Amino acid sequence: EVQLVESGGGLVQPGGSLRLSCAASGFTVSSNYMSWVRQAPGKGLEWVSVIYSGGSTYYADSVKGRFTISRDNSKNTLYLQMNSLRAEDTAVYYCARSMVRGVISAFDIWGQGTMVTVSS
Amino acid sequence: DIQMTQSPSSLSASVGDRVTITCRASQGISNYLAWYQQKPGKVPKLLIYAASTLQSGVPSRFSGSGSGTDFTLTISSLQPEDVATYYCQKYNSAPFTFGPGTKVDIK
Repeated sequence: EVQLVESGGGLVQPGGSLRLSCAASGFTVSSNYMSWVRQAPGKGLEWVSVIYSGGSTYYADSVKGRFTISRDNSKNTLYLQMNSLRAEDTAVYYCARSMVRGVISAFDIWGQGTMVTVSS
Repeated sequence: DIQMTQSPSSLSASVGDRVTITCRASQGISNYLAWYQQKPGKVPKLLIYAASTLQSGVPSRFSGSGSGTDFTLTISSLQPEDVATYYCQKYNSAPFTFGPGTKVDIK
């Protein structure tokens, strides 16, 4: 079964760091473009970052310079390293798969989400 | 960056009604447009990709159209299980921006 399972969320103080993980099964994370999407409480979806099959990475302006997306092919896992966290980063974070291997495409598989709360 | 807008922001319709949601891109994106449905407390679900292609398993009452800058999502006959927020998303190039969402409920 193709699925994504996120972990690593929690409560962190402003200025702190957190690393989210997204374990994939049923497909290879390095074959598809993989993204992180977040949703603040009661708000809409916000795309955060993507890593392409070839390794190129892109970020939303709101997280550029603070967040880093990466993957470990041996563990078939996607990561999001979040530094210098702010209250406005509080959200449910989803990882999502682009549906066609090696090509920009819509997000067909989503994880269940992991909650990140930034508060003192 | 390309901005995505949706209208209306919310709507209330009766069961069986035809519902149309509009999404507009600030620049042309060809047909690199997806629609997602998010029910309360649930994970977003892909409904339509490439502006008009129905994702496998999605009921045929959902349809999409458009190209360039203007797109529509249509529910031909609204059902109670369609209560959700609907988001469009451009994916021609990063950033893969979502629209602000349209909340649909039953009158």
